[in-house]
Amino acid sequence: GENVEQHPSTLSVQEGDSAVIKCTYSDSASNYFPWYKQELGKRPQLIIDIRSNVGEKKDQRIAVTLNKTAKHFSLHITETQPEDSAVYFCAASAWSNYQLIWGAGTKLIIKP
Amino acid sequence: NAGVTQTPKFRVLKTGQSMTLLCAQDMNHEYMYWYRQDPGMGLRLIHYSVGEGTTAKGEVPDGYNVSRLKKQNFLLGLESAAPSQTSVYFCASRPDRGIGYTFGSGTRLTVV
Repeated sequence: GENVEQHPSTLSVQEGDSAVIKCTYSDSASNYFPWYKQELGKRPQLIIDIRSNVGEKKDQRIAVTLNKTAKHFSLHITETQPEDSAVYFCAASAWSNYQLIWGAGTKLIIKP
Repeated sequence: NAGVTQTPKFRVLKTGQSMTLLCAQDMNHEYMYWYRQDPGMGLRLIHYSVGEGTTAKGEVPDGYNVSRLKKQNFLLGLESAAPSQTSVYFCASRPDRGIGYTFGSGTRLTVV
């Protein structure tokens, strides 16, 4: 079945630097790729998503890129701030799937 | 418009007791999901529903039952609670495939 691998499991960056989290998916039919942010003790919240007909999408300091040939997609956060500290989850799904297939999560630590 | 509401928010059960967790959404979403999240871990799918009157097993269904008698409600039941079911339970919904989930705020369940 579909599998999503996410790296790294923990990422520590200096405040103001950029952070990049990468995910690889196995099902070539996958066409929807959301990213969720989960702060400590809170629910996961959708921060950005991308569909297979688009290579890149930006929203202020965050961006997602998709490489369909290599079957991987990445989350980019620029000018990191303390409030970016959280666990980030990637996910993927094909139209035939009723559910999202989740990555294991990346704990992002922003050092002051 | 409350989104996805979960009740209760916290619960302590004794081993062998039963309980029902309620998830209610007011967005007319077709698909609903129950996940569990153990400390420091990712999301694991318990059961899901693709419409009123339907249910399907996810990754970790043992020890749980679900019902979706009304489109807006998705109930998760524990017939005989075990300490291994101590976790945070999240409900999620979405209107269709290819769209992100909206999560509820979670139920923190402790089984002693």
